[in-house]
Amino acid sequence: EAQVTQNPRYLITVTGKKLTVTCSQNMNHEYMSWYRQDPGLGLRQIYYSMNVEVTDKGDVPEGYKVSRKEKRNFPLILESPSPNQTSLYFCASSLSLLGHGQYFGPGTRLTVT
Amino acid sequence: GENVEQHPSTLSVQEGDSAVIKCTYSDSASNYFPWYKQELGKRPQLIIDIRSNVGEKKDQRIAVTLNKTAKHFSLHITETQPEDSAVYFCAAILLEYQLTFGKGTKLSVIP
Repeated sequence: EAQVTQNPRYLITVTGKKLTVTCSQNMNHEYMSWYRQDPGLGLRQIYYSMNVEVTDKGDVPEGYKVSRKEKRNFPLILESPSPNQTSLYFCASSLSLLGHGQYFGPGTRLTVT
Repeated sequence: GENVEQHPSTLSVQEGDSAVIKCTYSDSASNYFPWYKQELGKRPQLIIDIRSNVGEKKDQRIAVTLNKTAKHFSLHITETQPEDSAVYFCAAILLEYQLTFGKGTKLSVIP
């Protein structure tokens, strides 16, 4: 089954404790992206990757890191989480950006206290 | 900065009526405009998209129109049904490899 998976689905953590949210896709997609969703703000892009070893900042990259060592995986790293990073996070992938809709993962609800 | 504006933020329609959601974008070079539907508690899912060389695209009860000169595009849902109730997001490629979303429209279809 073609899918994008994320783990964990829910996470409650404390300020400053490093965490990683994993994302994996099995569709051989080149383009992968992370978004955060906050009430009234829609979906905002954090980072994206055009292909292996190619990543770039989206609209709200501050406080986040990513890596793309393998085509299928695109983890999101919060080195020192803060309460303003409490949000719903979605990973997405697509064959390319132009002309192909993104497949979204199920989402990770993160709470930073 | 580059952005996508979406209106209205909420929309209520009677079952069977039509619903229209409009988006405007800032980058005249944008060439791909997808629409996503997000049901409560679920992930966004692509419902229809349009490229800049096409003015209109239809898929059963949904259609998207694009006016490149005016830099706006719209989603049209006809014969609305309760299962159309959801949040709808428009999006556009504003910078070369970035997809920027509107803030969403919460559509409620009243039976």
